Amino acid sequence: AQSVTQPDIHITVSEGASLELRCNYSYGATPYLFWYVQSPGQGLQLLLKYFSGDTLVQGIKGFEAEFKRSQSSFNLRKPSVHWSDAAEYFCAVGARGGSYIPTFGRGTSLIVHP
Amino acid sequence: EAQVTQNPRYLITVTGKKLTVTCSQNMNHEYMSWYRQDPGLGLRQIYYSMNVEVTDKGDVPEGYKVSRKEKRNFPLILESPSPNQTSLYFCATSGPKAYEQYFGPGTRLTVT
Repeated sequence: AQSVTQPDIHITVSEGASLELRCNYSYGATPYLFWYVQSPGQGLQLLLKYFSGDTLVQGIKGFEAEFKRSQSSFNLRKPSVHWSDAAEYFCAVGARGGSYIPTFGRGTSLIVHP
Repeated sequence: EAQVTQNPRYLITVTGKKLTVTCSQNMNHEYMSWYRQDPGLGLRQIYYSMNVEVTDKGDVPEGYKVSRKEKRNFPLILESPSPNQTSLYFCATSGPKAYEQYFGPGTRLTVT
């Protein structure tokens, strides 16, 4: 079975600073990988996904993530954070076989200081 | 506009009083699921459905029921709610392989 670890419960950055949110997964092969964002009081929205091919994927709102097979990681990055990026971020893993149902990490809460 | 709707958005009830949270999608998706979100635990899947009349348990199904009689609807039923089911509930839907999930706005349930 697949699993996801987001080692940081909270991350605090200053507006304009760069951001990296960590995600490590456990799965026997290359999984499908996702990052979702949950703004306060909202449902989750897909930021980006990796299925195959280029290991650096671009998403919405200026986010990108890099799949590193050797490190079993799929870290989310943004070069310059805006105050509106303050939200909860979830990494998710989907297995390539079977039902493809994703497993979500516990989330990282991003706090942005002005 | 592609939408996943949930009703009600907020609900306060008492222990043992049966309730239903509705979920409806207009994207003609086969896959639908229910999650609960609790602080420090992230999202945990309760039940999912791969198509009409096909449902299966997720990670935390105890105390919940679901049905999938129509493609667009996937209600979550709590026959006898208990305080430990106080949580934020999300319905989600996606195409046939659950690659990308579209989430509803959430239902905040409080059981006293």
